[in-house]
Amino acid sequence: QKEVEQNSGPLSVPEGAIASLNCTYSDRGSQSFFWYRQYSGKSPELIMSIYSNGDKEDGRFTAQLNKASQYVSLLIRDSQPSDSATYLCAVKGPAGNTPLVFGKGTRLSVIA
Amino acid sequence: NAGVMQNPRHLVRRRGQEARLRCSPVKGHSHVYWYRQLPEEGLKFMVYLQKENIIDESGMPKERFSAEFPKEGPSILRIQQVVRGDSAAYFCASSPPRNNEQFFGPGTRLTVL
Repeated sequence: QKEVEQNSGPLSVPEGAIASLNCTYSDRGSQSFFWYRQYSGKSPELIMSIYSNGDKEDGRFTAQLNKASQYVSLLIRDSQPSDSATYLCAVKGPAGNTPLVFGKGTRLSVIA
Repeated sequence: NAGVMQNPRHLVRRRGQEARLRCSPVKGHSHVYWYRQLPEEGLKFMVYLQKENIIDESGMPKERFSAEFPKEGPSILRIQQVVRGDSAAYFCASSPPRNNEQFFGPGTRLTVL
């Protein structure tokens, strides 16, 4: 049973701070990792993908991957109230186009 | 550049009726995935299709649920004899060949009375 675990939150951070979201996964063969943002009542929006160990930066977002520890994280710098949403971690196996396994998501609240 | 389209956006059915959900993938995307999200739950995979083929239906209940992606037209997720437990948001995602990233449509929110 492939599992993806996230703290449900809510995680509250003040505006301008760094928000740190964490995710662990059980399938050691996983090769692709994604972070989606989902506002209440809306659909998931892809914000980051990462495939190799280390850091990947895109604007205020940094994804970090450690395959040995089976751990993925997302850092959001200079957090804004508009970042308040649920962040979903998703993991994919090694074979080409395969389904995503999602965590239940972490609810982030950025306080102005 | 149109994204994934789903309709209807909201669907209300009475117990025992049929629900038919439609998904048009991004132009050029040949892979379609259906996911279900129950209130306060994560997204759960249901079925993965390519044109005219079901590739993986391991997440779809064996009874009452079916899916297709015909050569022409949208992908259809069909739920027969709906029950209250089928009330959920159903999301479709698409990806191009040999690409890992999946892009989601706006979803269909099904309510069973």
